[in-house]
Amino acid sequence: DSGVTQTPKHLITATGQRVTLRCSPRSGDLSVYWYQQSLDQGLQFLIQYYNGEERAKGNILERFSAQQFPDLHSELNLSSLELGDSALYFCASSVRGVDTDTQYFGPGTRLTVL
Amino acid sequence: AQTVTQSQPEMSVQEAETVTLSCTYDTSESDYYLFWYKQPPSRQMILVIRQEAYKQQNATENRFSVNFQKAAKSFSLKISDSQLGDAAMYFCAYRTFNAGGTSYGKLTFGQGTILTVHP
Repeated sequence: DSGVTQTPKHLITATGQRVTLRCSPRSGDLSVYWYQQSLDQGLQFLIQYYNGEERAKGNILERFSAQQFPDLHSELNLSSLELGDSALYFCASSVRGVDTDTQYFGPGTRLTVL
Repeated sequence: AQTVTQSQPEMSVQEAETVTLSCTYDTSESDYYLFWYKQPPSRQMILVIRQEAYKQQNATENRFSVNFQKAAKSFSLKISDSQLGDAAMYFCAYRTFNAGGTSYGKLTFGQGTILTVHP
């Protein structure tokens, strides 16, 4: 158990809908990262937050957004869902987001868009 | 942009034997970090080992060790005394050292290698 929690574990929804994925980092970790794992794209970095502020951005679609709250939990919002958004979404956390920190991953949320 | 390549989609090993998983990467940076993560059927991403590029000594964690060849941009993972619990997908990942860069913090992953362990 990495100490990173993600809810829900599974999510099934329809095209065009909006969903919110939630992540709670390890106690004391200030950085949260979101990754998408799909069959065709592999594991891809989406976005990083550090202590409430956006720190780095990957190839995140405009339909996707994220935020980190004062209690350090993070939410990833996916809207206007398409079939191709079906994937496993991981959250990871690290202490300070500085050079020596290692990212610890949550169990993931499996999103299925029908 | 950095890229990570794992050229072996699948590997297999007999229990108690040794196996090596390959990883190459492309970068123009001189300082960076490399990782191996394990993803068992549960889908959890588990850190196996990490290597700082500025360290010449190869990292070791119990039965897991790496062969880091900086000039060749190669980072292979050796698993000794393989166990059934080692069966998983293994990902090689790269992380920049450059704290000021816009990609800071991002892990770039290879496509993964599925390891099967035969009893």
